[in-house]
Amino acid sequence: EAEVAQSPRYKITEKSQAVAFWCDPISGHATLYWYRQILGQGPELLVQFQDESVVDDSQLPKDRFSAERLKGVDSTLKIQPAELGDSAMYLCASSLPHAGTTNTGELFFGEGSRLTVL
Amino acid sequence: KQEVTQIPAALSVPEGENLVLNCSFTDSAIYNLQWFRQDPGKGLTSLLLIQSSQREQTSGRLNASLDKSSGRSTLYIAASQPGDSATYLCAVRRETSYDKVIFGPGTSLSVIP
Repeated sequence: EAEVAQSPRYKITEKSQAVAFWCDPISGHATLYWYRQILGQGPELLVQFQDESVVDDSQLPKDRFSAERLKGVDSTLKIQPAELGDSAMYLCASSLPHAGTTNTGELFFGEGSRLTVL
Repeated sequence: KQEVTQIPAALSVPEGENLVLNCSFTDSAIYNLQWFRQDPGKGLTSLLLIQSSQREQTSGRLNASLDKSSGRSTLYIAASQPGDSATYLCAVRRETSYDKVIFGPGTSLSVIP
């Protein structure tokens, strides 16, 4: 069964260090999302891609976070430098686009990357 | 701006009980609403998706309803089991040219054997 792949599953780093997360969406899914989820809260959208283009990064802290999806397939989310408040689960999701189509727009998630900043 | 809320925040029930989880959203211009389950430390698993033109969807012991005009959805779980213990989240997809999805904070469910 097709699934969204994420790595690493767990990452422990010290503050001020750089960290990177990778996501490979379901094949054919043009829309890719990075969410951050703090314990006890719902996921918050950080950045959304349509193919290789960013369509929403309004909640991405651009002074330290960056995201890319160079060939419109897999994606990398980077944090540099990491801060204590960045400790969270980073979730990647993908979907078929729905605008102008009959697609349902169902969202599929990976297992997430748990970041702990010490 | 779309806001999504879920009530209650936490729920504890004895095994076998039927229960209802609630999701409310402020902007009725949605494309669909999706219910997810999340186990501790894991990603989100899709349970049910309701298109804006639909009233309800069913899967096994789960039934989700949607009232777009009032901005509400409910997830009904029949004959609850300890294995149903998890956090349940609802998410609404906006009806725009690109597909922003907004999540509620979730309801933490505990089913006691």
